[in-house]
Amino acid sequence: ETGVTQSPTHLIKTRGQQVTLRCSSQSGHNTVSWYQQALGQGPQFIFQYYREEENGRGNFPPRFSGLQFPNYSSELNVNALELDDSALYLCASRRSGRTEAFFGQGTRLTVV
Amino acid sequence: SQQGEEDPQALSIQEGENATMNCSYKTSINNLQWYRQNSGRGLVHLILIRSNEREKHSGRLRVTLDTSKKSSSLLITASRAADTASYFCATALMSGGFKTIFGAGTRLFVKA
Repeated sequence: ETGVTQSPTHLIKTRGQQVTLRCSSQSGHNTVSWYQQALGQGPQFIFQYYREEENGRGNFPPRFSGLQFPNYSSELNVNALELDDSALYLCASRRSGRTEAFFGQGTRLTVV
Repeated sequence: SQQGEEDPQALSIQEGENATMNCSYKTSINNLQWYRQNSGRGLVHLILIRSNEREKHSGRLRVTLDTSKKSSSLLITASRAADTASYFCATALMSGGFKTIFGAGTRLFVKA
């Protein structure tokens, strides 16, 4: 049973606004990744954090930023929201050196 | 473009039949993973196969890997209605930092 929790579960924002999504990693996991999943598509890798530093990034603009905290919880921040940012945002945590990732249930963001 | 591409995009079978999904990727890999997603929720890790393995089993799942063709297949035997879900392959890359790349997925519908 995954211990990764995300909040909120659903969110509606207006174009141009900013949003912060939160993820609480599974106990003992020091690596967290964030993904954007549009309807009917596969998850797109946004970035990964290891020990509070970003160590990998996908093809997303700088207005997508993140933080990882000492307790390994993390945030995804998106500025200047666009309609195309509407998607399911997933976080996944894992132990460093392990490949298996445990996913949260996601935050459904709708930008209107 | 995505590293992994699955086919078919959608598959509808009767309960008890076998389901085969294929994944192709573009660059060299250390391992390939398969994940399952129910109704736009979080992903669940199913199985990992390393680049030096050709076949791996886990319960009703059988995964093959052909590194010469850069392809993998996932076979679900004796399918059940509860297997209805989307299935994704994923590869991890170390190129300008760490990245995990998912394919677009195969949507499997198992009819009772």
